[in-house]
Amino acid sequence: AQSVAQPEDQVNVAEGNPLTVKCTYSVSGNPYLFWYVQYPNRGLQFLLKYITGDNLVKGSYGFEAEFNKSQTSFHLKKPSALVSDSALYFCAVRVFSGNTGKLIFGQGTTLQVKP
Amino acid sequence: DAMVIQNPRYQVTQFGKPVTLSCSQTLNHNVMYWYQQKSSQAPKLLFHYYDKDFNNEADTPDNFQSRRPNTSFCFLDIRSPGLGDAAMYLCATSTTGTGYTYEQYFGPGTRLTVT
Repeated sequence: AQSVAQPEDQVNVAEGNPLTVKCTYSVSGNPYLFWYVQYPNRGLQFLLKYITGDNLVKGSYGFEAEFNKSQTSFHLKKPSALVSDSALYFCAVRVFSGNTGKLIFGQGTTLQVKP
Repeated sequence: DAMVIQNPRYQVTQFGKPVTLSCSQTLNHNVMYWYQQKSSQAPKLLFHYYDKDFNNEADTPDNFQSRRPNTSFCFLDIRSPGLGDAAMYLCATSTTGTGYTYEQYFGPGTRLTVT
């Protein structure tokens, strides 16, 4: 079965420190991977994606993610965390459904950045 | 700005009283999705439209229906809401046409309360 796992329910980091939010996946074929962020009572905001090409993907708000095929991982990173980065983060993989695709989400990781 | 709009943002309905949630988009995307999200869990796909083709998820209850009268609008109908249907409902769009980038664009969500 195709799936995405985020092993940490919550990640705590001090402002200014680097952050990592972990994601592993299990899919058949080449994975199309995404990170989304959700602020309270808001919809999901697209951060970045890996479709093909360079394993290091840069996205919005200074975030980046590294695709590692051998470890089937797609961890989200940021060199220097901000308090405003505190939110709920979802990793997702696109799978084919009928004549289009759909996203399978991980369970989400709450990022708490403390001043 | 092109966007996904959901109305209303907050909806209160009574147990068993039909309710309709609305989604519109100015992105001219041919695919529209409806998700249910409960208390910071992963969004759960209910169904999606590829143009006018309706694709229901196998585990979506019959109580949930959808209509897409044109490209821009999509509705979620809950025929007899139960207390367990209280959740955030998210609409999203994507395109398979020119400019196909695979990611989905989400609206701000409608928070449904059932009393």
